[in-house]
Amino acid sequence: AQSVSQHNHHVILSEAASLELGCNYSYGGTVNLFWYVQYPGQHLQLLLKYFSGDPLVKGIKGFEAEFIKSKFSFNLRKPSVQWSDTAEYFCAVTGYGNNRLAFGKGNQVVVIP
Amino acid sequence: DADVTQTPRNRITKTGKRIMLECSQTKGHDRMYWYRQDPGLGLRLIYYSFDVKDINKGEISDGYSVSRQAQAKFSLSLESAIPNQTALYFCATSETGGEYNEQFFGPGTRLTVL
Repeated sequence: AQSVSQHNHHVILSEAASLELGCNYSYGGTVNLFWYVQYPGQHLQLLLKYFSGDPLVKGIKGFEAEFIKSKFSFNLRKPSVQWSDTAEYFCAVTGYGNNRLAFGKGNQVVVIP
Repeated sequence: DADVTQTPRNRITKTGKRIMLECSQTKGHDRMYWYRQDPGLGLRLIYYSFDVKDINKGEISDGYSVSRQAQAKFSLSLESAIPNQTALYFCATSETGGEYNEQFFGPGTRLTVL
């Protein structure tokens, strides 16, 4: 079964700072990878996803993630954060075709104005 | 016009009570899921259903049961609620098979068991 590790559960940074959240997964086969975002009091929304092709994936709101197969990683980045990026971010992985998502424990990101 | 809806949105109940959380979707997806979210633990899968006649346990199914009444409806029951079932519960849906495993989430139900 697949599993996901996210580091640095709590991240505090100032507006305009760069953000990088690490995600490492464990799975022996082809994977589909996701980053979800949960704004305060809201449900999970898809930020970006990787299925195949270009390993650098661009998502909404200026976020991007890079799939590095050799490192089993799918790190999320944003060059310059805004206060509105305050949220919890979850990395998730599923094996090709099996439809069962495994979530990491999440990163709570607080952006200070 | 939300695609995945959950009722109730908030519920406070007492230990030992039977509780049902409901999920409906208008996305036409065959696959539906129930997760619980606890602070610092992420989302954990309780049950999932790939079609009306298919029900599968997830990683934390003890103390829960589900019913798939129709393609669009998937209910989660707590037969006898206990305080450690206090959590945020999410329903999700996805398309059938293929490589596209994106799941779409409902707004969540916040359950408190006293």
